[in-house]
Amino acid sequence: DAGITQSPRHKVTETGTPVTLRCHQTENHRYMYWYRQDPGHGLRLIHYSYGVKDTDKGEVSDGYSVSRSKTEDFLLTLESATSSQTSVYFCAIRGTGVSYEQYFGPGTRLTVT
Amino acid sequence: KQEVTQIPAALSVPEGENLVLNCSFTDSAIYNLQWFRQDPGKGLTSLLLIQSSQREQTSGRLNASLDKSSGRSTLYIAASQPGDSATYLCAVNDSGAGSYQLTFGKGTKLSVIP
Repeated sequence: DAGITQSPRHKVTETGTPVTLRCHQTENHRYMYWYRQDPGHGLRLIHYSYGVKDTDKGEVSDGYSVSRSKTEDFLLTLESATSSQTSVYFCAIRGTGVSYEQYFGPGTRLTVT
Repeated sequence: KQEVTQIPAALSVPEGENLVLNCSFTDSAIYNLQWFRQDPGKGLTSLLLIQSSQREQTSGRLNASLDKSSGRSTLYIAASQPGDSATYLCAVNDSGAGSYQLTFGKGTKLSVIP
């Protein structure tokens, strides 16, 4: 499972509150990704990181920010949650070697009421 | 912009049948293609990865093929079992992005009937 954990696994929050999701990996991978999965849209990339303090935007980055102060942790923050951010959030890492295979965490189900 | 399409969206087959899942992509400049399995309420499990220079990869009863020039990949499942019931996702890794981002299809939901 590439040693990826996500916390919390489930969260219900109210519109307008800040929310931070955490992704933790134990194998020192350089690249980490945040995706969201919604019915009818599939998985879409929010942000990714290619090293400590090095991050970039993905396809659906509006309303989200990320931080990576340590190799093992990649945080996703919703500064002011909206109902449109209700989704399942997945963290992924890119494996080493030439294949660059991606491995996914178990996901966080976020509901914004 | 890369677009990935998976047809059919859902498929129901009797146990023991061989089946093929299809994936097509619009930009052939890919680095590799990954097939994933997702069980309800769970994360994604990587099944097979095919490099752009390869034609196919096999793992047990699974065989994935890649025709990069035509923008197509297939996942062949032999002798299907009820335990194969899940959603299967195809994702392409764009070689030009530098970030090795994955672009996903919306998946094929497979039901294998005992």
